Amino acid sequence: GQNIDQPTEMTATEGAIVQINCTYQTSGFNGLFWYQQHAGEAPTFLSYNVLDGLEEKGRFSSFLSRSKGYSYLLLKELQMKDSASYLCAVMDSNYQLIWGAGTKLIIKP
Amino acid sequence: DTAVSQTPKYLVTQMGNDKSIKCEQNLGHDTMYWYKQDSKKFLKIMFSYNNKELIINETVPNRFSPKSPDKAHLNLHINSLELGDSAVYFCASSQDPARDSSTDTQYFGPGTRLTVL
Repeated sequence: GQNIDQPTEMTATEGAIVQINCTYQTSGFNGLFWYQQHAGEAPTFLSYNVLDGLEEKGRFSSFLSRSKGYSYLLLKELQMKDSASYLCAVMDSNYQLIWGAGTKLIIKP
Repeated sequence: DTAVSQTPKYLVTQMGNDKSIKCEQNLGHDTMYWYKQDSKKFLKIMFSYNNKELIINETVPNRFSPKSPDKAHLNLHINSLELGDSAVYFCASSQDPARDSSTDTQYFGPGTRLTVL
């Protein structure tokens, strides 16, 4: 079966760095997406990786290792507004997005 | 400008009723989706339409029926509502993912919180 695993919840301090991991097992691979979802709001796109390596976008970076079925989202210089759920999703061979359950990130002052 | 819009934002109804949720996108996308997000925050794909044709139909009860009058609209009809249908329903759209998955970001509507009493 297809499976996306990520931690349920993480806590970090304002100004610090946090890494949210995602491992996946899917039938085929056409890219991995990270989305941010604030409580009561819709998911919004953060990043896309299809080749191995690190993609940097401001304070956020996303890494992919296809051979290991592994990705992480790195958030630097954490701000209170970064408190949200972070969803990992993989596009399989049928171009269907398989979603993880999300990681709730709590930022403390 | 609203990219993906849904109405209503909140829907409270009794068990057994029939209700509809409307979705519209003005992004010119070819593909639209309906997701259900339950209390555990798990996003589950329900339906996907590409140019008015159903391309994914996950194992949802046949009480749920998507209707797409044109590629900018994908409405969700739910018959004989049950308590377990209470959830947030998100509509989303994207370009055809089979054409270029690197640009296939899904844009989500604001969600419809359905509560069945």
